[in-house]
Amino acid sequence: GQQVMQIPQYQHVQEGEDFTTYCNSSTTLSNIQWYKQRPGGHPVFLIQLVKSGEVKKQKRLTFQFGEAKKNSSLHITATQTTDVGTYFCAGPIQGAQKLVFGQGTRLTINP
Amino acid sequence: GAGVSQSPSNKVTEKGKDVELRCDPISGHTALYWYRQSLGQGLEFLIYFQGNSAPDKSGLPSDRFSAERTGGSVSTLTIQRTQQEDSAVYLCASSFTGAHTDTQYFGPGTRLTVL
Repeated sequence: GQQVMQIPQYQHVQEGEDFTTYCNSSTTLSNIQWYKQRPGGHPVFLIQLVKSGEVKKQKRLTFQFGEAKKNSSLHITATQTTDVGTYFCAGPIQGAQKLVFGQGTRLTINP
Repeated sequence: GAGVSQSPSNKVTEKGKDVELRCDPISGHTALYWYRQSLGQGLEFLIYFQGNSAPDKSGLPSDRFSAERTGGSVSTLTIQRTQQEDSAVYLCASSFTGAHTDTQYFGPGTRLTVL
């Protein structure tokens, strides 16, 4: 079936270092969404990308959607302790009204 | 306005008992989703409602799991004869129309522990 894979599963960085998580789909996606889940919290929507090659920025976060619309990335510049959490990408299942979530990348930061 | 709410926040039960988990979506949201998240894992889709009907029940793990939604609002997820492997956080989300471009708004979850 349709799958959305995320790597790495875990990432530990020193505060101030950059961080990137990658999302790959087995099929072309019409759009991709990114969510953040703080420890002990619930997923919170960050952004949606729709267009091929699209790049969007939110302060230190840069989101990209691949030209083929099968992959996406989230890059955080100069991480801060507030960035700790698990980042999920999610894409729509073809022909179905639901999203399939990647397994998430858990980011921990050494202050 | 109010977000998605879920109750109870925590539930501890004994193996073999039935449990009911409740979700109150954002008012006006027609789509409602249930997910399960085991410790440190991703989100496992369980079931999706559009209004009161459930066009996609494909994620329900077994016939011990059922869900209903009434009045296009509140939803209840029922787990019968709970097993230890049912222990997880059960998350509910709602979206405005259910279109896959819609943002899903998640509730705080119910942490279920089966002893």
